Amino acid sequence: DQQVKQNSPSLSVQEGRISILNCDYTNSMFDYFLWYKKYPAEGPTFLISISSIKDKNEDGRFTVFLNKSAKHLSLHIVPSQPGDSAVYFCAFTGAGSYQLTFGKGTKLSVIP
Amino acid sequence: DAGVIQSPRHEVTEMGQEVTLRCKPISGHNSLFWYRQTMMRGLELLIYFNNNVPIDDSGMPEDRFSAKMPNASFSTLKIQPSEPRDSAVYFCASSSGLRVSGELFFGEGSRLTVL
Repeated sequence: DQQVKQNSPSLSVQEGRISILNCDYTNSMFDYFLWYKKYPAEGPTFLISISSIKDKNEDGRFTVFLNKSAKHLSLHIVPSQPGDSAVYFCAFTGAGSYQLTFGKGTKLSVIP
Repeated sequence: DAGVIQSPRHEVTEMGQEVTLRCKPISGHNSLFWYRQTMMRGLELLIYFNNNVPIDDSGMPEDRFSAKMPNASFSTLKIQPSEPRDSAVYFCASSSGLRVSGELFFGEGSRLTVL
């Protein structure tokens, strides 16, 4: 039973446009939400996070949105750059938990 | 600052052989995680250590897998005997607490191929 779903395995976006990556979850105990980015032959690296008390968090070109009622998390990248081409994983954890539950990832390709 | 260091980066072995993967976490981090990434299952947690003590090994697939953390700067993941279905990328990650920094720091991974 998948607790986290990234329904789009891949996404292509033109440089300069907005990239929107989505994630749905089922576990209502999740209260901390993260996005990781992974380049080929490297480990995932932390990108941005949000706690359940917020519905938006921005860091430069990256904004994460949380819709708790819909159990939906999204990442917006504006403007998209070729260097953003990578696999993006959403990840979730619950209060007091040490464990991150990861989605299967979405491969973003930003076309120059 | 050195990140999480894993070795080997690539390992090709034959079925039945023993495989040992190694990890050096970031100095000062008290939590260490071993993850496995496959196409089918994505990133899945195998085992979690806190202050060198295994806290949760429920993700370890079976008795062929074992992990140790003899000190704060070193951990191993061993597969004996290895099977083709163990082929995957194995990541080690460390943190000072998920709620402290909000992130895990991953190594570059060890790509294992079992023939």
